[in-house]
Amino acid sequence: DTAVSQTPKYLVTQMGNDKSIKCEQNLGHDTMYWYKQDSKKFLKIMFSYNNKELIINETVPNRFSPKSPDKAHLNLHINSLELGDSAVYFCASSLLDNDEQFFGPGTRLTVL
Amino acid sequence: GQQVMQIPQYQHVQEGEDFTTYCNSSTTLSNIQWYKQRPGGHPVFLIQLVKSGEVKKQKRLTFQFGEAKKNSSLHITATQTTDVGTYFCAGQGGSYIPTFGRGTSLIVHP
Repeated sequence: DTAVSQTPKYLVTQMGNDKSIKCEQNLGHDTMYWYKQDSKKFLKIMFSYNNKELIINETVPNRFSPKSPDKAHLNLHINSLELGDSAVYFCASSLLDNDEQFFGPGTRLTVL
Repeated sequence: GQQVMQIPQYQHVQEGEDFTTYCNSSTTLSNIQWYKQRPGGHPVFLIQLVKSGEVKKQKRLTFQFGEAKKNSSLHITATQTTDVGTYFCAGQGGSYIPTFGRGTSLIVHP
């Protein structure tokens, strides 16, 4: 069974479009995260949700909005996509906010 | 804000040689975690260090947390081709916001 899953695995889209990436964890964890990994492999945290409350919101553009319908899901919605948004986006979860993180397989987003 | 510097960015070794990557934080950490990401894969948790001066071993991997809880290292003895990947440290301060280092990519030549 996959612990943290993301869909889609690949996403190719045009500039200006709106897209969503879904994330689900079946570990019963309380905290979920979204990371952006650029072409140089730098992992930057974007958001964190704990029990459906946003507890971290790094300086990301407000075109990015996390949505958590329940504790097991944290989706990432992106409006008006730009070329610079091209990256691999990873979802992760942890039992508590100071525990090991389990990462999903990643979503490679390409904006043309 | 908290910054975590990691060096080197790349390391080429011959199979059987040792490898070390270092992390330094601008602030005192509550804990530090280490992850490994294989090419094309996702980060996978290796270990967490919490105590000042802590040393933990996993087979050929040795992890250290500095006395001041601001630096850490990962040492691999006698590298194998299966060790190839990027190793990340991630430090957490009082707010538990995880800050990742930029990673060290290990290339092992057979």
